Amino acid sequence: GAGVSQSPSNKVTEKGKDVELRCDPISGHTALYWYRQSLGQGLEFLIYFQGNSAPDKSGLPSDRFSAERTGGSVSTLTIQRTQQEDSAVYLCASSPGLAGFYNEQFFGPGTRLTVL
Amino acid sequence: KNQVEQSPQSLIILEGKNCTLQCNYTVSPFSNLRWYKQDTGRGPVSLTIMTFSENTKSNGRYTATLDADTKQSSLHITASQLSDSASYICVVADPSGANNLFFGTGTRLTVIP
Repeated sequence: GAGVSQSPSNKVTEKGKDVELRCDPISGHTALYWYRQSLGQGLEFLIYFQGNSAPDKSGLPSDRFSAERTGGSVSTLTIQRTQQEDSAVYLCASSPGLAGFYNEQFFGPGTRLTVL
Repeated sequence: KNQVEQSPQSLIILEGKNCTLQCNYTVSPFSNLRWYKQDTGRGPVSLTIMTFSENTKSNGRYTATLDADTKQSSLHITASQLSDSASYICVVADPSGANNLFFGTGTRLTVIP
C-alpha cells in the first residue's frame, strides 16, 4: 500500500500489561512521528525520528513509554505497565522531511488502545 | 497555554450550505499553517498548507485563508456534503523545522440532510 499503516487497529489490555504498537511509514519518508489523541483533545506529540539522527523524545509522558525505529523504516511504540490514562488513539505520521519545513505529514489510521 | 485556538468547537449545518471555521494562533515566528480533515476513526488528512506569504489556497470546495498580520486563518467549505462531516484541525509550524508543530483541538462539523 502507498499509505501509512498501523497495527493493531484496536487493542484492549489489562492495567499493568505491556503493549506494542506498530507503524509502517511511507517508503522513503525520513521523518516519523508518534502522537496521542485523547477523546475531545488535540494531538499530543510523543516522539519523532528523523533519518539517522537521535530521536526527539521530549513528548513521552513517562519512562513507561519508549519507541524505536529499525532500519529507518518500521517503528514500534511500547508502553510498559499500562495505566487507564494511557487509553487513547495513537497516531503515526510520516513525512519526506521535517514537517516544520513545509513537508506534508501523512497519517496512519491509528491504534485505539483501551486499558481496562 | 494552547497556541492554536479553533472556533467553534462544533457546528451543525444543513447539506448544501456553506460554513467557515476559524483558527487563531500565537505561534511566533511562523513558518506555515495547515488544515487537516479527520474522519471518525481515521487519521487526519491534509487539506491545505500555506506559508506566511500565501493568503489563500483552495482544494476543491475547501478554501483556506491566512492573515499572518492578525495571526488568523479560516477554512471555508462551499456547498457542504454529508461526507464533509468530520473534525477539522488547524496546525501551525514554526520555522525551526524540527518538531515544532502546534495543533488546535479541532472543530467538529456535522452536515445533516
